[in-house]
Amino acid sequence: QSALTQPPSASGSPGQSVTISCTGTSSDVGGYNYVYWYQQHPGKAPKLLIYDVSKRPSGVPDRFSGSKSGNTASLTVSGLQAGDEADFYCCSYAGSNTFVFGGGTKLTVL
Amino acid sequence: EVQLVESGGDLVQPGGSLRLSCAASGFNVNGYSMHWVRQVPGKGLVWVSRIKSDGTTIAYADSVKGRFTISRDNAKNTVYLQMNSLRAEDTAIYYCARDLTSVWGQGTMVTVSS
Repeated sequence: QSALTQPPSASGSPGQSVTISCTGTSSDVGGYNYVYWYQQHPGKAPKLLIYDVSKRPSGVPDRFSGSKSGNTASLTVSGLQAGDEADFYCCSYAGSNTFVFGGGTKLTVL
Repeated sequence: EVQLVESGGDLVQPGGSLRLSCAASGFNVNGYSMHWVRQVPGKGLVWVSRIKSDGTTIAYADSVKGRFTISRDNAKNTVYLQMNSLRAEDTAIYYCARDLTSVWGQGTMVTVSS
């Protein structure tokens, strides 16, 4: 149950796009299409952005998109806005009814 | 309104026990997988435990296996996390979540310290 690997930080200017990676193994990210992405603002509970690799819950803008290639999942935030500045976490099913989160990425909007 | 409210967090000594509660409203907990996730303030999210809708499929993170027990009371529409043999490293905000999707509680703080 090792944490998925995310870059500690990412940044972009308003209007730009930024992609956050989430690297696991064939036992988690690569083995299942159950990857979730969350956004967390300080002092708040996580908010689901993406589930099942690339699906968006209702109410989440299509500026947020998810994908996966091999053992690496990615979250792309397009048209960056000041309010997007937050911590982002990936999570994957890891077999045997267990799950594993990434270490988190702090997104800064320059 | 669909909502989860955690309670039971407290300051406890190492080796002590605590039971967290997650009260649901707007849906039935026995129809969903329910999870506990923890977060040391300022650090990342860590998955702790899951109880599936069947009530018998249960899993734990290695770090809490044998010390924590997840359970559910359908009549009270509440999920619990019994935490025994607590360690300093269990100090965190504990969140419950429905299906690890859009429904999360606000969290309850557990502090393990002498």
